[in-house]
Amino acid sequence: AQSVTQPDIHITVSEGASLELRCNYSYGATPYLFWYVQSPGQGLQLLLKYFSGDTLVQGIKGFEAEFKRSQSSFNLRKPSVHWSDAAEYFCAVAPGFGNEKLTFGTGTRLTIIP
Amino acid sequence: NAGVMQNPRHLVRRRGQEARLRCSPMKGHSHVYWYRQLPEEGLKFMVYLQKENIIDESGMPKERFSAEFPKEGPSILRIQQVVRGDSAAYFCASSPPWEAGELFFGEGSRLTVL
Repeated sequence: AQSVTQPDIHITVSEGASLELRCNYSYGATPYLFWYVQSPGQGLQLLLKYFSGDTLVQGIKGFEAEFKRSQSSFNLRKPSVHWSDAAEYFCAVAPGFGNEKLTFGTGTRLTIIP
Repeated sequence: NAGVMQNPRHLVRRRGQEARLRCSPMKGHSHVYWYRQLPEEGLKFMVYLQKENIIDESGMPKERFSAEFPKEGPSILRIQQVVRGDSAAYFCASSPPWEAGELFFGEGSRLTVL
């Protein structure tokens, strides 16, 4: 069965600083990987997804993620965070193309300080 | 184009009562997913439905929980004889049959069991 680990429960960064959120997955076949963001009291919004091809994926709001098969990782990055990026971030894996039965990590809460 | 609509946004029930959560997918979307988010946890898959069919209910508790997506009308997640452990946020998501990998989430229904 697939699983997703987000080792950082809570991260605090200064506005304008760079950000990296970690995600490790466990899955036997080629993974389909996603990052979602959840603002307080809201649903989840897709930031980016990886199916195949270029291992560096660009998403919305200036985010990018890099798939590293050797490390079973799919870390999310942003060069300069804005106060509006404060939210909960979830990494997820799907078992196959077109199958949206996602397995989510437990999330990383991002706090931005001035 | 309206997003995924869930209602009620907040629902309070006493132990032993029934809870009904509704979800209208985005226009043109024929796939509906229900996820549950317990406090401080990620989302857990419950059930995947298409019109008049349950495709995958492997995440549904064996008792008291049921889901449907009728030919007409919203998808319904029904919880009978609620217990305090059912208190959670329940998210519905939809996806179109032609686009793989992206789930569009509603804002969730937050159930509190007293």
